[in-house]
Amino acid sequence: DQQVKQNSPSLSVQEGRISILNCDYTNSMFDYFLWYKKYPAEGPTFLISISSIKDKNEDGRFTVFLNKSAKHLSLHIVPSQPGDSAVYFCAASVAGGTSYGKLTFGQGTILTVHP
Amino acid sequence: GAGVSQTPSNKVTEKGKYVELRCDPISGHTALYWYRQSLGQGPEFLIYFQGTGAADDSGLPNDRFFAVRPEGSVSTLKIQRTERGDSAVYLCASSLTPGTYNTGELFFGEGSRLTVL
Repeated sequence: DQQVKQNSPSLSVQEGRISILNCDYTNSMFDYFLWYKKYPAEGPTFLISISSIKDKNEDGRFTVFLNKSAKHLSLHIVPSQPGDSAVYFCAASVAGGTSYGKLTFGQGTILTVHP
Repeated sequence: GAGVSQTPSNKVTEKGKYVELRCDPISGHTALYWYRQSLGQGPEFLIYFQGTGAADDSGLPNDRFFAVRPEGSVSTLKIQRTERGDSAVYLCASSLTPGTYNTGELFFGEGSRLTVL
């Protein structure tokens, strides 16, 4: 069963506009969420994270929103830039102890930002 | 370099052969992870090392898969009697000891692409 789902395989956005990437999870034990970005032929790189005690975390152009009751999180990129074009993975874990690095990933969303 | 290094970057083998994939983590990172990414999917957890010991190997698909980290640094993922379904990108990641200054961020290598013919 897919515990973390990214239902949009791809997203196309114009440069300067907002990109919104969505993620849903089913396991209520998850309490730490991360977004990773991946360029072709490279490993995923950490982008931003959020703990379940928060509903929003912001870092520059990137903001992650968490809705625990809906088991939903989203990543907002404003303004979008062509260099943001990549595959974005949502990931979740049970925080604490040795579980931090045991991440459950979604399938990924391919973001294309057009100049 | 300062990042996670994985070798080989590409490996083509025949069904039934034995394969070893190597990971050299970031210096000072005591935690090391192996993930597997199949085409069109996100990475899937395989195994986690804290130091030399496998703290969690619950993601290994079967007993054909085995990983070691004898000196607490470099790790080797070993696959016996490879099958076509083993074809994937095998990703290694490292991090600081969980529970200290660790936000859960993993530092991934570029991966080893395994193709089993």
